[in-house]
Parts: sequence; structure tokens; C-alpha cells
Amino acid sequence: QKEVEQDPGPLSVPEGAIVSLNCTYSNSAFQYFMWYRQYSRKGPELLMYTYSSGNKEDGRFTAQVDKSSKYISLFIRDSQPSDSATYLCAMSRQQAGTALIFGKGTTLSVSS
Amino acid sequence: GAVVSQHPSWVICKSGTSVKIECRSLDFQATTMFWYRQFPKQSLMLMATSNEGSKATYEQGVEKDKFLINHASLTLSTLTVTSAHPEDSSFYICSARPGGGPYNEQFFGPGTRLTVL
Repeated sequence: QKEVEQDPGPLSVPEGAIVSLNCTYSNSAFQYFMWYRQYSRKGPELLMYTYSSGNKEDGRFTAQVDKSSKYISLFIRDSQPSDSATYLCAMSRQQAGTALIFGKGTTLSVSS
Repeated sequence: GAVVSQHPSWVICKSGTSVKIECRSLDFQATTMFWYRQFPKQSLMLMATSNEGSKATYEQGVEKDKFLINHASLTLSTLTVTSAHPEDSSFYICSARPGGGPYNEQFFGPGTRLTVL
């Protein structure tokens, strides 16, 4: 079993839809949880991060972490064509400087 | 703020040659830099972690003699792919982590696409 599992999609939605992206993980030591957005042939850019369990909202984006289920989610409201990209979840352990473990990424396409 | 650059953005080389990729943190000091490799439709796979002034720590399965990493200053790390072969063709991405604080935020460079003929 991989440490981080993420459905690669692709996921296609119409403009304005609510998008739900998810990852599961197996290592209970993970404490930091992030979502990155990566456009084709570009480096990832950080969208959201959450420490431990809970929710975090930033504009149209909401990140949720459920440590008891080892499950994290990213919700995108009022999706736009510009949201079309690959979304990678990533997580790391408590210790500062530890490496990020990435999911495979989910490719999202938002049609106008 | 928190900009990381990579150079070159793409490179094509012949099999057997060496290629150097630079990663720079432009507006912060990076105590730790990471090098990742990403194959098409795959996730980022960590190759090595480097701390300024010390030897890099390589992930299992990554040949340290083939992928030479130097982190000579707090703003620059280099990855040299020695004796490159076609199977080394990939997208190489670096990230940099600012010093201090418990949070593991990393800022990623735009990546370098390496094609070995």
C-alpha cells in the first residue's frame, strides 16, 4: 500500500460546479497536509495547507483533514476554466524539514 | 515573495554527457532544498534532500554518484546528472524551504525538462 493514494482522474466538470478532490493516507505520523496545483510543464504551487485535523477556507477553496479516517479533501466552489490543472495532495510528518510525500495528482478539467 | 527559479527550463543532451541544473531561492534563504523527479502522469518523487553546507541525503534507489547535488550557499543548489541516458529523461523540480519555524512549507521551482537522446 502506498503511503498516499489519490485518484488520478481525469475529472471533468462544467463551469460553476463544486469540485471535490480527495486523498487517503496510511501513515498516522503525518501532521501537515497540503494541496498543490500544477499546470502542465510547470512546478507545483501551494494552494492550501492544514496542520492536524480540521477545516480551512480560502476564497473558493476549502481544505478538510480527518485524521481519524486518514482522509483529506479539497473543495473548489464555483469552479472556473482557469482551475483546470492537476491537483496534488502532499503531507509530511511533524519534524521540521522532513520531505513531502505526494499523491499522484488528480487532473481536473473545467469546461465553460 | 518566496520565488524559486530553475535554470535551464529545458535541456536536450546526448547520451553519456553530464547536465547541471541550478535551483535558486531569489528572495529568501533556504536552509533545505529538495530535488524531485516527475515522469509523465506520475507524481513527484523525492530524489534527495540537501542542507546548506552538508552532504545530500538520497532516497532509496537514487544513485548518489549519478545525481550529484551541491548546496553551496543558502540560495543555490545544483543537481548534476552525470553520464545521462535516455531513461534519465524526466521533469526535474526543486523546492526550497525557508529556515526557521515548524511549518514545512516548500516553494517549488518551475522545473527543468531533460531530454536525453
